[in-house]
Amino acid sequence: AQKITQTQPGMFVQEKEAVTLDCTYDTSDPSYGLFWYKQPSSGEMIFLIYQGSYDQQNATEGRYSLNFQKARKSANLVISASQLGDSAMYFCAMKTVDSSYKLIFGSGTRLLVRP
Amino acid sequence: DAGVTQSPTHLIKTRGQQVTLRCSPKSGHDTVSWYQQALGQGPQFIFQYYEEEERQRGNFPDRFSGHQFPNYSSELNVNALLLGDSALYLCASSLRQGVNTEAFFGQGTRLTVV
Repeated sequence: AQKITQTQPGMFVQEKEAVTLDCTYDTSDPSYGLFWYKQPSSGEMIFLIYQGSYDQQNATEGRYSLNFQKARKSANLVISASQLGDSAMYFCAMKTVDSSYKLIFGSGTRLLVRP
Repeated sequence: DAGVTQSPTHLIKTRGQQVTLRCSPKSGHDTVSWYQQALGQGPQFIFQYYEEEERQRGNFPDRFSGHQFPNYSSELNVNALLLGDSALYLCASSLRQGVNTEAFFGQGTRLTVV
């Protein structure tokens, strides 16, 4: 079965500090993609970063990086130098060939950045 | 370049009624997927359209149906609305298929069934 697990319902971080949001996944498909999305209160899902199962290096996009540990089946999102505007829901998601490329989402983590 | 646009942004319907939600994909995108996001949960896949056909479907009843037009825009129809259909409905567009294909989302339609 294809599954994404996010075990942190809520997280706090102090402005300008780094924070790690956890994500573990379950699939037997050797080819898959992992995505992180940010969802502000407005509702729109904003794409942050992507990691492919065959990528040798961890993905980075500006202040976002993905700590990809394939053997542990984890794909944690690291946000460096947190900003007040980072306060939002964050979702980890996966696509596999077996799931016909639909996005499978976790339950999300609500991040609150404190000034 | 306009991104994914959805209409309406908010909607209130009564149990038993029918509703139609609309989605215009990002320019150049040919694949449209619909997701339902209940309060406090992650989005759940409803179905996907490509070349005007439903290509795959999630675990949703037949009350949920859709359509894709030649210009790639799409509609989601829900019949015989239930209170449990209250949710944020998200449309996502992408170009073709692949594990590395990024999906772009609209701002969603918040449906409230009373």
